[in-house]
Amino acid sequence: GAGVSQSPSNKVTEKGKDVELRCDPISGHTALYWYRQSLGQGLEFLIYFQGNSAPDKSGLPSDRFSAERTGGSVSTLTIQRTQQEDSAVYLCASSLGNGQGTDTQYFGPGTRLTVL
Amino acid sequence: GENVEQHPSTLSVQEGDSAVIKCTYSDSASNYFPWYKQELGKGPQLIIDIRSNVGEKKDQRIAVTLNKTAKHFSLHITETQPEDSAVYFCAGGDYKLSFGAGTTVTVRA
Repeated sequence: GAGVSQSPSNKVTEKGKDVELRCDPISGHTALYWYRQSLGQGLEFLIYFQGNSAPDKSGLPSDRFSAERTGGSVSTLTIQRTQQEDSAVYLCASSLGNGQGTDTQYFGPGTRLTVL
Repeated sequence: GENVEQHPSTLSVQEGDSAVIKCTYSDSASNYFPWYKQELGKGPQLIIDIRSNVGEKKDQRIAVTLNKTAKHFSLHITETQPEDSAVYFCAGGDYKLSFGAGTTVTVRA
């Protein structure tokens, strides 16, 4: 079946502009996660959704970052007033959401964000 | 929070030899430890995972071991092939995963 999809695959923006990144999870997956991967680094947790609620936003680096999820499906990560340090690959993952916190997370291909 | 450390950062092996990557974690409450393979320009792909109630798990050429007392876990790839060349990440936690910095594996033909 279809995996996690993300759009756009690449985004180049100017410092100070706002950007929106989209994630379509695997159908039926109730849990959704956003991670950030800086060049040559491991993945950094940003936010976790269970359904439309975000019980853990602890990884969002600043108040310029926000995310929402509607209809228990699509999620959007918004970065306002982008800075050069926001340049990274933003990865989305989804999982069944078994309530036990240990179900497998499946990743999308990511959105590469470049802030000039 | 959880802190996962991964070694080595690079690993070069001859085709057919074994590759071993080791990770340590800090939070004794962590109970889920997946391993991901990432190829250039792609998202991470799960290759194997282990939960805290199991000490070892195998899937064909890949095996993972977990030592909860010592808080470390390892990935073993046997009979390596050129297509095993990639970056491998370990992770630990529960719904919130902390990732190691990655190991770049190169399999020499």
